[in-house]
Amino acid sequence: SAVISQKPSRDICQRGTSLTIQCQVDSQVTMMFWYRQQPGQSLTLIATANQGSEATYESGFVIDKFPISRPNLTFSTLTVSNMSPEDSSIYLCSVDVSANTGELFFGEGSRLTVL
Amino acid sequence: AQSVTQLGSHVSVSEGALVLLRCNYSSSVPPYLFWYVQYPNQGLQLLLKYTSAATLVKGINGFEAEFKKSETSFHLTKPSAHMSDAAEYFCAVGKAAGNKLTFGGGTRVLVKP
Repeated sequence: SAVISQKPSRDICQRGTSLTIQCQVDSQVTMMFWYRQQPGQSLTLIATANQGSEATYESGFVIDKFPISRPNLTFSTLTVSNMSPEDSSIYLCSVDVSANTGELFFGEGSRLTVL
Repeated sequence: AQSVTQLGSHVSVSEGALVLLRCNYSSSVPPYLFWYVQYPNQGLQLLLKYTSAATLVKGINGFEAEFKKSETSFHLTKPSAHMSDAAEYFCAVGKAAGNKLTFGGGTRVLVKP
């Protein structure tokens, strides 16, 4: 298993501003995944962050809007840039710590409200 | 490409009654299948996982799921619902360890006393 800490847990932001979400894991992991959960919706993968390389973005998500850093094997950040009310969501960091089961462990999420 | 379909966005059950949540998947390779639960204002918690060892998988809190390849299904059941089971449940599919998961739309369970 893994303990995943996300900061902030929630925030209220103004339109046009940017916010960086931090994800800290208590063990070294190769892959970190950033998901978005819009109100009342399921989880959608934004990007996969692999240490030492550029993040891989899913269709519909771009680096200019959601820049990601992965400086080491236990930490990652996701920035939501130039926010609009449509960015109001829960952003979840997840990691795969098992060698062969494929399960992901999730942080508690960062709930952003954009006014 | 992988996809997951959960039938029914909302399910209402009486306390003590059977809980049945349906999940169908599509995958080009033998899948890794998961059920997660999300309680209000919390992150996701793994209920159970299928990784080709046994078709009937037992998880936490009395839940179990059966993998049926012929039906491409992985339905979740619990014989007797408890009030604490009220939450949202997500089915997810993956291709391999270390790979991303694709989630279904989720099913919100309401338990009536």
